[in-house]
Amino acid sequence: QVQLQESGPGLVKPSQTLSLTCTVSGDSVTDGGYHWTWIRQHPGRGLEYIGSIYHNGRPDYSPTLKSRVTISVDKSKNQMTLIVNSVTSADTAVYYCGAATVVTYSFDYWGQGTLVTVSS
Amino acid sequence: QSVLTQPASVSGSPGQSITISCSGSTSDFGTYSYVSWYQQHPGKAPTLILYAVGNRPSGVSTRFSGSKSGNTASLTISGLQAEDETDYYCSAFTPTDSWMFGGGTKVTVL
Repeated sequence: QVQLQESGPGLVKPSQTLSLTCTVSGDSVTDGGYHWTWIRQHPGRGLEYIGSIYHNGRPDYSPTLKSRVTISVDKSKNQMTLIVNSVTSADTAVYYCGAATVVTYSFDYWGQGTLVTVSS
Repeated sequence: QSVLTQPASVSGSPGQSITISCSGSTSDFGTYSYVSWYQQHPGKAPTLILYAVGNRPSGVSTRFSGSKSGNTASLTISGLQAEDETDYYCSAFTPTDSWMFGGGTKVTVL
């Protein structure tokens, strides 16, 4: 059973950098079982794909966020990290990490989500 | 980034069946079968209820079923119950567009 836990600051100032960590238990972020993914949800809105680290280690980013986003994994800590640069109020959202199976590309596991507010 | 189109809301009476549609705008969506559906209760993370169009994970009620025809996937909830009243999202993966999500559908049990 895979478990995911997001962590990071709940408040970030405009123009600064947002950094979140997803701690994975029950599987290894580098063993190829899942595509490790970040998804966000603006208040009262739908789900938005941010990006992934595919099971082969290749990153993939949403075209709308690609210029500001970096996703990486830390094997020693079994964690995935999300960095979003130059944040604005439009980046205020609940951020989820998810694990998508390599066979069906469905998100079988989700973290509980963490709310990030961008405000001065 | 392509977006999947869902109706904003669908309603039905207890015991009835309802269907939520999910339409893709790219030709890839019609080709691939990596469509999944999620249920999300307020303040909670989404949970997977269908994968690969119509497959249910262990523990998901048989009242949930899925299908796909051309560029439109569908989620059907049979025997609607009060506990089904919440939000539902479709998602699809294609090699050219990676993951896409629908805008979400609020189900109301009358």
